[in-house]
Amino acid sequence: DIQITQSPSSLSASVGDRVTITCQTNQHITNFLNWYQQKPGKAPKLLIYDASNLETGVPSRFSGSGFGTDFTLTISGLQPDDFATYYCQHYENLVLYTFGQGTKVEIK
Amino acid sequence: QVTLRESGPALVKPTQTLTLTCTFSGFSLSPSGVCVAWIRQPPGKALEWLALIDWAGDRSYNTSLKTRLTISKDTSKNQVVLTMTNMDPADTATYYCARLPRCDYSGVFDSWGQGTLVTVSS
Repeated sequence: DIQITQSPSSLSASVGDRVTITCQTNQHITNFLNWYQQKPGKAPKLLIYDASNLETGVPSRFSGSGFGTDFTLTISGLQPDDFATYYCQHYENLVLYTFGQGTKVEIK
Repeated sequence: QVTLRESGPALVKPTQTLTLTCTFSGFSLSPSGVCVAWIRQPPGKALEWLALIDWAGDRSYNTSLKTRLTISKDTSKNQVVLTMTNMDPADTATYYCARLPRCDYSGVFDSWGQGTLVTVSS
């Protein structure tokens, strides 16, 4: 099975900071990786699909990159609304869907 | 507007069978490429995919839970049902259903229900 390692598990940052979250897989997955944001008590919300595509309506300060085994979610200019937990998710169509461990972004 | 809503018991006893229903609107499960999945999240922990059913009725399961799960659909009622047998306190979690609009080539969960908390306790 494909394993995902997401890091860090948590981070503290200030409004305006640039934040980077990474996911690493133990096998090559091309670009089959999505990113979600989850706020307390709420369902996850899709941010980025297929590693680098911004979902409609998501602010452009969010971006994704990577291919193969190493992927990054970047928030350029952290806003108060961005304090949340972020998850990466790998998929093998109609077979398997795997989430990372999550990264909690907290206010410094 | 796409909406999904989970329903089921809030409390189940150990060894019992859990039955959850996802009722959705704004889309149909009959067109090719549409799927509905179940995902859970224990308190304070990460998301875990459980099961998926596609437009044709084909099913996929998390391999570690496969023996305990059954997913089914009623297209006429716009519902997807998940059953999980032999419930354990470790199964305490918020259970979500979610749509995959093009599951034949994309693993995106684009719409989610609000989730339902299931507690397993005697």
